Amino acid sequence: ELKVEQNPLFLSMQEGKNYTIYCNYSTTSDRLYWYRQDPGKSLESLFVLLSNGAVKQEGRLMASLDTKARLSTLHITAAVHDLSATYFCAVDWVSGTYKYIFGTGTRLKVLA
Amino acid sequence: GAGVSQSPRYKVAKRGQDVALRCDPISGHVSLFWYQQALGQGPEFLTYFQNEAQLDKSGLPSDRFFAERPEGSVSTLKIQRTQQEDSAVYLCASSPRGRAGGAKNIQYFGAGTRLSVL
Repeated sequence: ELKVEQNPLFLSMQEGKNYTIYCNYSTTSDRLYWYRQDPGKSLESLFVLLSNGAVKQEGRLMASLDTKARLSTLHITAAVHDLSATYFCAVDWVSGTYKYIFGTGTRLKVLA
Repeated sequence: GAGVSQSPRYKVAKRGQDVALRCDPISGHVSLFWYQQALGQGPEFLTYFQNEAQLDKSGLPSDRFFAERPEGSVSTLKIQRTQQEDSAVYLCASSPRGRAGGAKNIQYFGAGTRLSVL
């Protein structure tokens, strides 16, 4: 059974600081997705990582994928309050059918 | 509409009541997924449709849960004889292609239906 673990679960950080969220998964997969969820809102797609070594950047967020280590990171640079949300990684498990297996989420709060 | 639409947004049910949750996927999307998200947790897969065919229902927690997509577009998730443990947000997602659609087959999510069973 594929398992996806994120850490930390909660992250409170000051504006302007840098931090990294980690996503580990237990079975071979080369498709990993990062989503953002604001309270009461839908999941918004942030990044799609499709191969080993993939790196994607958008604004203050950068995501990377190491399929050999089964690890993805979401790096936050110079955090701002607007980044406060819950961030999920999801692995695309193609096993006869396909579905996303989500991590537990990282609740990020950026303090002014 | 442009995105995935779910209704109702909120549903309060008495224990034992039947409920029906609706999902309107993005027009033309082949694949449709249902997920259950408990408070403070990540979404968990319930079931998957490719067009009108339900290809995977392995995540449905009991035989009280039933999903359909009769014409390959709108889908309904039905929960019979609701229990308190069914309280959660139910998310629907759609993607443009089927399971062989390739690596960029991103899932687009609706805002969810929050079900509270009293």
